[in-house]
Amino acid sequence: SQQGEEDPQALSIQEGENATMNCSYKTSINNLQWYRQNSGRGLVHLILIRSNEREKHSGRLRVTLDTSKKSSSLLITASRAADTASYFCATARSFGNEKLTFGTGTRLTIIP
Amino acid sequence: EAGVAQSPRYKIIEKRQSVAFWCNPISGHATLYWYQQILGQGPKLLIQFQNNGVVDDSQLPKDRFSAERLKGVDSTLKIQPAKLEDSAVYLCASSLAGINEQFFGPGTRLTVL
Repeated sequence: SQQGEEDPQALSIQEGENATMNCSYKTSINNLQWYRQNSGRGLVHLILIRSNEREKHSGRLRVTLDTSKKSSSLLITASRAADTASYFCATARSFGNEKLTFGTGTRLTIIP
Repeated sequence: EAGVAQSPRYKIIEKRQSVAFWCNPISGHATLYWYQQILGQGPKLLIQFQNNGVVDDSQLPKDRFSAERLKGVDSTLKIQPAKLEDSAVYLCASSLAGINEQFFGPGTRLTVL
């Protein structure tokens, strides 16, 4: 079963604009991760945020986590054509070799 | 550093046939995962190995799916017999012990006709 729901399901923006996608989940978590999947390829880990963190940055990525609302957002600033991909949030109930439960994904298209 | 290797990349079979997928994780990664990703959905965990032991196979359809990880390194996932609804991308991932970040292979796209 899918733990998370991403919103929106699809997003198209002009190159250079910022892209925001949201993830909601159902049960308590230890951490939440975001992955990117380019067409026809495997997933690539982008960033991990723990349940006791509220915000995290990595390059052009900014992730927030609100455990009271069971939601997270991923912001990509100054988007590039290479950011075109599907983005998935994934939750883990504990730290370590815990299985990830993935959301349904947001398909992001950057228009040059 | 070499990534997670999977083969074949594509496979087309008819329903009721058998198929096997192979995965070689990143060297030193004790944990190996097999996911099924149906078109338009997120990956769903099928089975998780820690070294050569099964940690979680609660979502593996055991009447037709089987997986093994011999010697705690390579792994194979088998479907026998295949159904139309098994058409999906099968992803293999691995991770270091005690670390949540997973590294994914390119996947095997299975089409069942």
